[in-house]
Amino acid sequence: GQGVEQPAKLMSVEGTFARVNCTYSTSGFNGLSWYQQREGQAPVFLSYVVLDGLKDSGHFSTFLSRSNGYSYLLLTELQIKDSASYLCAVRDGSSGNKLIFGIGTLLSVKP
Amino acid sequence: EAAVTQSPRSKVAVTGGKVTLSCHQTNNHDYMYWYRQDTGHGLRLIHYSYVADSTEKGDIPDGYKASRPSQENFSLILELASLSQTAVYFCASSDKRAGERLFFGHGTKLSVL
Repeated sequence: GQGVEQPAKLMSVEGTFARVNCTYSTSGFNGLSWYQQREGQAPVFLSYVVLDGLKDSGHFSTFLSRSNGYSYLLLTELQIKDSASYLCAVRDGSSGNKLIFGIGTLLSVKP
Repeated sequence: EAAVTQSPRSKVAVTGGKVTLSCHQTNNHDYMYWYRQDTGHGLRLIHYSYVADSTEKGDIPDGYKASRPSQENFSLILELASLSQTAVYFCASSDKRAGERLFFGHGTKLSVL
């Protein structure tokens, strides 16, 4: 069916890296966004991708493969403050550019 | 920095009562949205608007009305609040329907008892 899937939880260690996966199935595709949401706060935009490949934005990098319906958000040199939920959202171009959100992946960064 | 402000921050309502959530943006954006967030669900679109005095239904509009009296203001109205409407509600704005970036308000935690 149509939707955006993300693992519910992910754990990693300070100073290392974490990869947050997102798979999607939509009739059309018009871009994919990543948001960070800290506990009790609003989602904050991190990145937008529409073309295949890796987009490096420093602490955050984003990969997209449209043929596989797959994206990941890569966080490097993790800090404790990176602990948050990371939301994947896909623009479905076949349904009026509706934005479909995944449930979010709760990343816990341990010392 | 673009700003979206919501009021109230939290609200306790009784079943069957009327609730109004307000949203104000200073981004000069045409599009405004109301989402609800529940554990185990992604953000779900309730209503949206792309011009003043006009609103559109999102994916889960039942039990909700919306009002856009001006470009800056967008309200969500629960005429008869129900237990199932307990959730966190987020308002957001963007400069076009397929905008890359949504700017979210801080959210309103609504508890219906």
